[in-house]
Amino acid sequence: QSALTQPAFVSGSPGQSITISCTGTSSDIGAYNYVSWFQQHPGKAPKLIISDVTNRPSGISNRFSGSKSGNTASLTISGLQAEDEGDYYCSSYTSSISLVVFGGGTKLTVL
Amino acid sequence: QVQLQESGPGLVKPSETLSLTCDVSGYSIRDGYYWGWIRQPPGKGLEWIGSIYHSGSTYYNPSLKSRVTLSVDTSKNQFSMKLTSVTAADTAVYYCARRTFYYGSGSAPDYWGQGTLVTVSS
Repeated sequence: QSALTQPAFVSGSPGQSITISCTGTSSDIGAYNYVSWFQQHPGKAPKLIISDVTNRPSGISNRFSGSKSGNTASLTISGLQAEDEGDYYCSSYTSSISLVVFGGGTKLTVL
Repeated sequence: QVQLQESGPGLVKPSETLSLTCDVSGYSIRDGYYWGWIRQPPGKGLEWIGSIYHSGSTYYNPSLKSRVTLSVDTSKNQFSMKLTSVTAADTAVYYCARRTFYYGSGSAPDYWGQGTLVTVSS
């Protein structure tokens, strides 16, 4: 069982917006702004799309945005495109013994 | 362009030691950041293994800490991982990456190797 909780599946139609949640605790997401998000396509390495809760690395589309409220972080993808289909993972620092934790991943399907 | 490349055996026998090396190009490990390993069992999610700084400072996943050792060789611009007493549960794609520990603004694994599948089987 992963330390951070994500929905297993999310879907949306092209052009729509979707949001993926990532729920943690007051020891991780609730306490630090060290929340990151990764996109992974089949057979490929994960790709960083959000760091520090809201920051997009250079080259990442502004259709991707991150936010946080309390112990839950969220990734929103607007103007959904077919190429957005894949798996998404959240991660956070934690003051617990685990130090670095990941969510179980969310499979995004573009209908 | 920062590039990372994992190398090591793709098949390891149960109870033996899994050894992997990550060669880094386009960036000097001496220039900073934590470097480390993340693994992904087939069809499953990501798991942080551990991180190392060029000074040798390390952080480990407590669930693996008793079996894993990270090391760094700045002269070769590479870092390595050893995982002892492996079982089938250690079968996974192993990724090396830069900035694998949350330490300062912007910390998050930003450059990854392509990953290498390690199967534990007799």
